[in-house]
Amino acid sequence: RKEVEQDPGPFNVPEGATVAFNCTYSNSASQSFFWYRQDCRKEPKLLMSVYSSGNEDGRFTAQLNRASQYISLLIRDSKLSDSATYLCVVLPPVSGYSTLTFGKGTMLLVSP
Amino acid sequence: GAGVSQSPRYKVAKRGQDVALRCDPISGHVSLFWYQQALGQGPEFLTYFQNEAQLDKSGLPSDRFFAERPEGSVSTLKIQRTQQEDSAVYLCASSLVPSGGSGELFFGEGSRLTVL
Repeated sequence: RKEVEQDPGPFNVPEGATVAFNCTYSNSASQSFFWYRQDCRKEPKLLMSVYSSGNEDGRFTAQLNRASQYISLLIRDSKLSDSATYLCVVLPPVSGYSTLTFGKGTMLLVSP
Repeated sequence: GAGVSQSPRYKVAKRGQDVALRCDPISGHVSLFWYQQALGQGPEFLTYFQNEAQLDKSGLPSDRFFAERPEGSVSTLKIQRTQQEDSAVYLCASSLVPSGGSGELFFGEGSRLTVL
């Protein structure tokens, strides 16, 4: 089982729609979670961190379910500019040091 | 500079050639990472430096891949005797804190390598 798994999509939604992505992780002791956004042929950029209590940033809501080992990203009122690939990122348990592990990404296409 | 700078942006190599990819991280950033991203895939970890020390090279796919960061700033990823399967975008990222523990990695625009 891969460390971080995502549905590659693409998710095709109309403008204004609400869309949600899930991501599962294999190591129950993973300590931190993040969503990155990557536009076509561009570098990944941090979108938001995912906190145990859930967190919201404008139209974006991230949630963590430790019992089921998944994180989610909800986008409300989708905009054309939201079209991108969303990467789920996990920080494994500390063992001296550790490095971020990226999922393969979920592609979102928002159409007019 | 303000961000992570990588060069060259594009490199075409004939199979068997050696290539060197350069990364200039954000000044003062302790951590430096190299990732490989194939088309349609997420970034795959290659190697990690904390200052000049290479603490993890478990992601390097073969002994043809070598990375260094001799003065704890600029890093070079070298690929010897390139193969077609090496074709990918090589992303460099830096982070202010060790191991990227804050979760915020700052990526360069990448070096797109095409091996013919």
